[in-house]
Amino acid sequence: GENVEQHPSTLSVQEGDSAVIKCTYSDSASNYFPWYKQELGKRPQLIIDIRSNVGEKKDQRIAVTLNKTAKHFSLHITETQPEDSAVYFCAAYYNAGNMLTFGGGTRLMVKP
Amino acid sequence: DGGITQSPKYLFRKEGQNVTLSCEQNLNHDAMYWYRQDPGQGLRLIYYSQIVNDFQKGDIAEGYSVSREKKESFPLTVTSAQKNPTAFYLCASSMTGWNTEAFFGQGTRLTVV
Repeated sequence: GENVEQHPSTLSVQEGDSAVIKCTYSDSASNYFPWYKQELGKRPQLIIDIRSNVGEKKDQRIAVTLNKTAKHFSLHITETQPEDSAVYFCAAYYNAGNMLTFGGGTRLMVKP
Repeated sequence: DGGITQSPKYLFRKEGQNVTLSCEQNLNHDAMYWYRQDPGQGLRLIYYSQIVNDFQKGDIAEGYSVSREKKESFPLTVTSAQKNPTAFYLCASSMTGWNTEAFFGQGTRLTVV
């Protein structure tokens, strides 16, 4: 099956700084890589995703990059704000199993 | 904020009892999942189902059981065999195929007393 590793497990940044979260995956056939944000006490929600035919995708302050050769993908948040504080999960779509495998999560804290 | 609904939001169970968590979706999704989330940990897959009347074990299926008699419903039973059932349980659904965004329910917090 698929194995997704996520780093770091916690990340603290000053408001306005950038934050980067990295994930690696094991199955080279994985082709869809979403990122979910879970605010305290709430359900995870999709914030951005990337497919294997694209190397980078941006949505305002959020961007995701994918390196298929190295089998890793990263979430970049620029100009961080206190409301960005949450747990972020990466995931990889395991084609053979038709399922999403999640990373262990990163707790991002943005200090005002 | 609709689409997939879990109930109840909070559940208390006595040791030795089975308890069933409900998950219903009206998104016409084929795939449904149950995840367990413990404090400071990620989402661990318990069971998943791709079609009606079929389901597969995830990484931590021991002590749990599921059924998928209807496309819309994927209930999870936490049995007395589950040694540490106190956790936050999340149900999710997604379409099969290329577009696989997962939609999550609001979760059920189970506490064994």
